[in-house]
This record gives sequence, structure tokens and C-alpha cells, in this order.
Amino acid sequence: EMQLVESGGGLVQPGGSLRLSCAVSGFNFNNYWMSWVRQAPGKGLEWVADINEDGSEKYYVDSVKGRFTISRDNAKNSLYLQMNSLRAEDTAVYYCATDGDWRWGQGTLVTVSS
Amino acid sequence: DVVMTQSPLSLPVTLGQPASISCRSSQSLVHSDGNTYLNWFQQRPGQSPRRLIYQVSYRDSGVPDRFSGSGSGTDFTLKISRVEAEDVGVYYCMQTTHWKTFGQGTKVEIK
Repeated sequence: EMQLVESGGGLVQPGGSLRLSCAVSGFNFNNYWMSWVRQAPGKGLEWVADINEDGSEKYYVDSVKGRFTISRDNAKNSLYLQMNSLRAEDTAVYYCATDGDWRWGQGTLVTVSS
Repeated sequence: DVVMTQSPLSLPVTLGQPASISCRSSQSLVHSDGNTYLNWFQQRPGQSPRRLIYQVSYRDSGVPDRFSGSGSGTDFTLKISRVEAEDVGVYYCMQTTHWKTFGQGTKVEIK
């Protein structure tokens, strides 16, 4: 069974950093583009970042460019999102998902507040 | 950027009755490969999103056949032929032809 499990969320002050992880199992991770999508409390879905199968291509929504970095470790079947210079408007549940057939994890909550 | 506009944003429905959600894109979603990458997702309360429909009209595995997708170019529709209690939630369209953008979501509730 395909599983995606996010971790690393929490409360952080404005300007701080967090690193999210997504551990995957039940499918060949190496064959998938992967995405991060976020959902602010009570709001809709927003695509955040993409990475291709070998990590050589990365794409970001404009609002996070220069602050967030997506990466992956295929040997560990893991996807990451390094988030720096966090702002209040980054507060959201962050989901990892397989790009293409769009399987989702359960999400991890990031709260940016002083 | 491609803007996806859904309507209505709130949809009260009677059990057993049909429901329809519209999604319009600010530019054509026909890809250079000839396919149209328009997806529909369901997000039940407290759950992660689940894809129902891909490439406009193809149902994902396990999706009941009361869900159907149609449309072309810039205008798309998700229909539920007979709404059941488990269909309550928020429905999103999402295009992946020109990067990725979601509609605002349509909240389906029972009258």
C-alpha cells in the first residue's frame, strides 16, 4: 500500500526555520516527481514546490522562492522541504504528494507566530 | 499564471439529488501534447484531499460512478448524479497543464 507520512511541523517564530520530511513506502519513489502543497487554516489548497525524479529540477510558487528548498533522498525514500525566513502567512498544513497520480500524506501543521 | 475559478463556492444539496460544480480557467488547458490536465479532488472534513477525476473525465480507481467530469478548453464540470451523505466536503479543480493551480474550492453540504 502506498503511504506518505509527513513530519517536522510545529510552532516557529517569524524569521525562523523548519525542515519538513515526507517518508514514503509502498511504491517506487525513484520513479515519481513529488510535490509539496499547503493549506492555510480554513482556506484552499496551494501548490508550493515540485521536484523531479532525480532532484535535478525544482520549481517553486513565487511566494516561497528564495526561502524554501525542496530536496529528496531516493536512497532513504524521503522528500524534504527546508523552510527559511518563515512568515505568518506560511502558517498552513503542508502535504507531500506524488505528482502525476496525486496520492497525499496526512499533512503536518506549521504555525509561524511570536 | 493560470487562474482557476470555481462556482458556486457553496452548494447545499438534497440527498439523492444531482449536483454540479463549474471550473473555469483563465487560459486553455490543452497541453502541447494534446492532453488536457484538469483534475478534480475531494476533501472530506478532517481528511487529506483525494483525487476523483484526472484529464477532465477519467475516474480514479475506487471512485463511485456517480462522479463524472466533463468539459474542454477553459470550461469544466464535475457532476454528482445522486448525492450521498459521504459526499459532503470541499471539491477542488486543479490544472497541471501550466504548472499547478487550484480553484478556490466548492463546499458541498446536505440541506
